[in-house]
Amino acid sequence: NAGVMQNPRHLVRRRGQEARLRCSPMKGHSHVYWYRQLPEEGLKFMVYLQKENIIDESGMPKERFSAEFPKEGPSILRIQQVVRGDSAAYFCASSPQVSSYNSPLHFGNGTRLTVT
Amino acid sequence: TQLLEQSPQFLSIQEGENLTVYCNSSSVFSSLQWYRQEPGEGPVLLVTVVTGGEVKKLKRLTFQFGDARKDSSLHITAAQPGDTGLYLCAGGDANRDDKIIFGKGTRLHILP
Repeated sequence: NAGVMQNPRHLVRRRGQEARLRCSPMKGHSHVYWYRQLPEEGLKFMVYLQKENIIDESGMPKERFSAEFPKEGPSILRIQQVVRGDSAAYFCASSPQVSSYNSPLHFGNGTRLTVT
Repeated sequence: TQLLEQSPQFLSIQEGENLTVYCNSSSVFSSLQWYRQEPGEGPVLLVTVVTGGEVKKLKRLTFQFGDARKDSSLHITAAQPGDTGLYLCAGGDANRDDKIIFGKGTRLHILP
């Protein structure tokens, strides 16, 4: 079952450390999206990437956050110098083409980041 | 900025009752999707509606897209405990390559 794989499922970091979240899209999917979800809230768009390109990062904070989707390997969401407010569930989704009604999003089960 | 407003935010009803949840916007969407999310998991697509006025049925779930493609509803008949979850609507922004934006969701709890 080659769905969207995210790891780790749970990540605990102390304030000031770095967090690296990984996402392997479904086989054949070349578009990756990262979303953040706070408790009792919906999904907030962060960034949309294709292989080796950032297409839309309008939802990602300009400082401390970065994302990449290299030619080989998973997509990485990197948060430097984490703060307590970064604690959330981070979801990755993939699609075979630009997400539209023809190719809806397939989500992973998320990485729950806790900053202590 | 397009916004999707979902109502109610929380709903708790008895098993066997009917319910409707809503997804509204002041903007037109090229498509609208409904997802369900269970605790500890990612959202799973239930349905996509594309045409204004479109109605789709998925067993006891009925989805409708408004004529003007600005709103949608989800009706559940004879709710069961297995329907418990967070229901998210998401719209495709036709002016931005159909980028999907999400509402905040309706958290549904069905009491046995």
